[in-house]
Amino acid sequence: NAGVTQTPKFRVLKTGQSMTLLCAQDMNHEYMYWYRQDPGMGLRLIHYSVGEGTTAKGEVPDGYNVSRLKKQNFLLGLESAAPSQTSVYFCASRRTGTNYGYTFGSGTRLTVV
Amino acid sequence: ELKVEQNPLFLSMQEGKNYTIYCNYSTTSDRLYWYRQDPGKSLESLFVLLSNGAVKQEGRLMASLDTKARLSTLHITAAVHDLSATYFCAVVPKETSGSRLTFGEGTQLTVNP
Repeated sequence: NAGVTQTPKFRVLKTGQSMTLLCAQDMNHEYMYWYRQDPGMGLRLIHYSVGEGTTAKGEVPDGYNVSRLKKQNFLLGLESAAPSQTSVYFCASRRTGTNYGYTFGSGTRLTVV
Repeated sequence: ELKVEQNPLFLSMQEGKNYTIYCNYSTTSDRLYWYRQDPGKSLESLFVLLSNGAVKQEGRLMASLDTKARLSTLHITAAVHDLSATYFCAVVPKETSGSRLTFGEGTQLTVNP
């Protein structure tokens, strides 16, 4: 049982390049989330999904797109990377229902130069 | 807009001492989570608090929730060096879609020998 797996773990991009971050979970969770973490700040929600085929904007969605074509995968895309998107990105998932916690991936450290 | 504020943001304490981290939030919620993060690592779940008056303890850490005051505390008893980490509280507002977590800024705890 792998939990939540994020790929890649590290990436350096040049300004204007595009890339996709992959989040995969094997727990059959309905909800999935993408957060970013910047130094000295808590995690901020970029986008989230409440089920296959659905996505919604979070607190800081600008410059990102997401897709959830399969229940187990949640993709985060950067179409034209900017230095302000240098951050650590965390994916999380959870089951529906009040009493369940969140499972976080190990993070992707992205640097845009 | 939901605000989650932690206090203090930086805490340096000696081994053996006690201290409390405070988490205030600005909207109605009955679900609050505490996480620990070591440098360069993902988030580790510590406590899930699901009702007013909830108290949970694990080792030297004890967390409580007062939903009327919109306040949670994380109490550290007889601190040891291994507790050095950053601690985050996170809140799920009532009547929010997708059970989205909103995080505090984090409290960076350093326990000195």
